[in-house]
Amino acid sequence: NAGVTQTPKFRILKIGQSMTLQCAQDMNHNYMYWYRQDPGMGLKLIYYSVGAGITDKGEVPNGYNVSRSTTEDFPLRLELAAPSQTSVYFCASSYSRIEETQYFGPGTRLLVL
Amino acid sequence: AQSVTQLDSQVPVFEEAPVELRCNYSSSVSVYLFWYVQYPNQGLQLLLKYLSGSTLVKGINGFEAEFNKSQTSFHLRKPSVHISDTAEYFCAVSDRVGSQGNLIFGKGTKLSVKP
Repeated sequence: NAGVTQTPKFRILKIGQSMTLQCAQDMNHNYMYWYRQDPGMGLKLIYYSVGAGITDKGEVPNGYNVSRSTTEDFPLRLELAAPSQTSVYFCASSYSRIEETQYFGPGTRLLVL
Repeated sequence: AQSVTQLDSQVPVFEEAPVELRCNYSSSVSVYLFWYVQYPNQGLQLLLKYLSGSTLVKGINGFEAEFNKSQTSFHLRKPSVHISDTAEYFCAVSDRVGSQGNLIFGKGTKLSVKP
């Protein structure tokens, strides 16, 4: 199993550009998550999904959108990039509820200039 | 709402010395508790978790943590560290009901093991 994969690894965006961060998992997990990690701030939940077609906001959803059309994929969309979105983005998945271990991807480093 | 406080942002320690990374949480309901580790330029991976039962939890790589409900703490310990333990460690909490899997993370503790 590849586990949780994320693309791209690194990207530079100009202010106002859009992009999609890709996330895929091959563990047949129902739950998927997007986090952002800022230096010295830990991880903050952006959006999560409990199954295909079901998504919900986390702690910091503004400026982002998600969709979940399949069990495997959970892309994160940035519509109008802002410098405040410079961060490292992690996708994670788990089989079911919170007592289950979350498995993390390697991350996407995004720089908005 | 839950919150997590990791009391030390950086912990330097010599190889083969013991280490304790401190974590305190705040919650009005019963919680699950987790420690995750992040090696440089990698994603997070689970070290250990407390769900119920024995308050002493053993994890991977020789780490253990003790849940103390009265002190609302979940400190991580290792009796003898190795260079390879150099990483950032995150404590996380979730309530037992209604959160749909949301983890609240602390700000992290960077463990630096020196030879």
